[in-house]
Amino acid sequence: TQLLEQSPQFLSIQEGENLTVYCNSSSVFSSLQWYRQEPGEGPVLLVTVVTGGEVKKLKRLTFQFGDARKDSSLHITAAQPGDTGLYLCAGAGAGGTSYGKLTFGQGTILTVHP
Amino acid sequence: NAGVMQNPRHLVRRRGQEARLRCSPMKGHSHVYWYRQLPEEGLKFMVYLQKENIIDESGMPKERFSAEFPKEGPSILRIQQVVRGDSAAYFCASSPTGGVLLSGANVLTFGAGSRLTVL
Repeated sequence: TQLLEQSPQFLSIQEGENLTVYCNSSSVFSSLQWYRQEPGEGPVLLVTVVTGGEVKKLKRLTFQFGDARKDSSLHITAAQPGDTGLYLCAGAGAGGTSYGKLTFGQGTILTVHP
Repeated sequence: NAGVMQNPRHLVRRRGQEARLRCSPMKGHSHVYWYRQLPEEGLKFMVYLQKENIIDESGMPKERFSAEFPKEGPSILRIQQVVRGDSAAYFCASSPTGGVLLSGANVLTFGAGSRLTVL
């Protein structure tokens, strides 16, 4: 069983602060996705990283894929209350799987206080 | 261009009844994945289907659970003789191809989920 350890599980910060969420695994992934999930809704894709060492930026969000494609991080700069939500990392292709079967992390519940 | 449509959004069943959850993938998508999200847990893979074929059902409980994706119509996740532990959110996702690089033209899109409550 491939595991994706996501931390921290809960994060409560003030508006304007920076934060980083981590996903770590002993497995190598072909691609890694970050999702955001609102209550009562399905996960919505934020970004996909594919290449080891890859860095992608989406406004105040920076995503990084580890060189060995086993870990990833999400960094948010100057967090805003609108960033509040559940953030999920998910990896595909572990164990040589050739299709988009995802292994999800446990999720990080982020609360940004005004 | 509708997204992945799941229904019902909410379903209440008593122990021993059957639950049927439906998923219509995005137009042009022929690959469907089902995931389950138990309370306080992350999403867990259940099954991967292509039209008329089950490709990977390694995440499906051995008993009472079945899935299908017929040539015509939506994919169905069927749970027989439900128990309280089946209470969860069930999510369907679709993609245009079965490739492992879920980016570019092969983005995986999730539905809003079906929330099953077993009394």
